[in-house]
Amino acid sequence: GAGVSQSPSNKVTEKGKDVELRCDPISGHTALYWYRQSLGQGLEFLIYFQGNSAPDKSGLPSDRFSAERTGGSVSTLTIQRTQQEDSAVYLCASSFSAGEHPAGSYNEQFFGPGTRLTVL
Amino acid sequence: SQQGEEDPQALSIQEGENATMNCSYKTSINNLQWYRQNSGRGLVHLILIRSNEREKHSGRLRVTLDTSKKSSSLLITASRAADTASYFCATARMNTGNQFYFGTGTSLTVIP
Repeated sequence: GAGVSQSPSNKVTEKGKDVELRCDPISGHTALYWYRQSLGQGLEFLIYFQGNSAPDKSGLPSDRFSAERTGGSVSTLTIQRTQQEDSAVYLCASSFSAGEHPAGSYNEQFFGPGTRLTVL
Repeated sequence: SQQGEEDPQALSIQEGENATMNCSYKTSINNLQWYRQNSGRGLVHLILIRSNEREKHSGRLRVTLDTSKKSSSLLITASRAADTASYFCATARMNTGNQFYFGTGTSLTVIP
């Protein structure tokens, strides 16, 4: 079946502009995550959605960052007034909800290919 | 701050040799996962070990977990050039729902 998809794959923008990044999770996955990965670095947790619960926004680096998930499926990460330090690969992942679930794949996350954001 | 730290940061071995990577973390966890990332396939889940497990195998992969030392190791046996990638550990901390923390990764190069 289809995996996690993200769009666009690459985005180049000017400092100060707003950008929207999209994530389509795997159908049936109730959990959705956004991460940021700077060049040569690990993944930095940004935000987590679980079903209809309030999202865990504890990883968002500033109030310029926001995300929403419509209908429990597609998610959009918005960065307002972009800065050069926002340049990174933004990764989305989805998984089954916390707790036991099929095939013993407890909390396994399936990642999308990422969006490479470059802020000039 | 990052929960997991991998060690070494970089590792270079000959094809056929074994590769061992370590991960240390700071707080109590529900489970620990290892992921691989390469330019061709993005981030891929390799193996998950729960906090009540001590060792787990999957093909050429062997993962150990020592909760008393808050550390895990990933062993890749009989390495292949295709194993060249960055390897990350990710920890699911207790009482934080499904939030995961990734380390900075170990860059493995397998020389043919």
